[in-house]
Amino acid sequence: GAVVSQHPSWVICKSGTSVKIECRSLDFQATTMFWYRQFPKQSLMLMATSNEGSKATYEQGVEKDKFLINHASLTLSTLTVTSAHPEDSSFYICSAREGLNEKLFFGSGTQLSVL
Amino acid sequence: QKEVEQNSGPLSVPEGAIASLNCTYSDRGSQSFFWYRQYSGKSPELIMFIYSNGDKEDGRFTAQLNKASQYVSLLIRDSQPSDSATYLCAVSVTGNQFYFGTGTSLTVIP
Repeated sequence: GAVVSQHPSWVICKSGTSVKIECRSLDFQATTMFWYRQFPKQSLMLMATSNEGSKATYEQGVEKDKFLINHASLTLSTLTVTSAHPEDSSFYICSAREGLNEKLFFGSGTQLSVL
Repeated sequence: QKEVEQNSGPLSVPEGAIASLNCTYSDRGSQSFFWYRQYSGKSPELIMFIYSNGDKEDGRFTAQLNKASQYVSLLIRDSQPSDSATYLCAVSVTGNQFYFGTGTSLTVIP
């Protein structure tokens, strides 16, 4: 199957700092990428959908100014958590799809801990 | 968020038995349905997808879809301890957004 690489795997940061998470499709062109967050023992919550070259579509309740998403190329999307606070601590997962293929391929996830 | 509901479990079955996982969804316009397996601390991996009413079989896995009842299920035959994981049901409405259920934790007892 297709490979999606996500970095970093885990990050610890101080409150008020910004953290960037990268999601790369290694062997296919990801026309659409999705960003999810997951709290312990809970499901994936869709945060935003990004299409290459256009602005991300955010789900209701997700602050677009806090969670900045960039999808500048067909193989790379980034999520920047700006001015992180302890309540932003969570597991963030990206996924990608190729063209109209509805199969999603997931990155390995990033565990963010904000002190 | 579209509503996708699953029993959180935990569901325990003995090794070799059939595990039955259920999922209901709220949006009648949903077109595509997926089952993902997620081990603790890992990302989900796709194990089955189904688009049409009826059954779809792949090895030990069978997905069942009933759009009239807004219900999709996953059967795992000859369950193995390695099947122990959380199983996430996912639904796509537009083909461009995917919504996940809360997951069902499955434990296969040797």
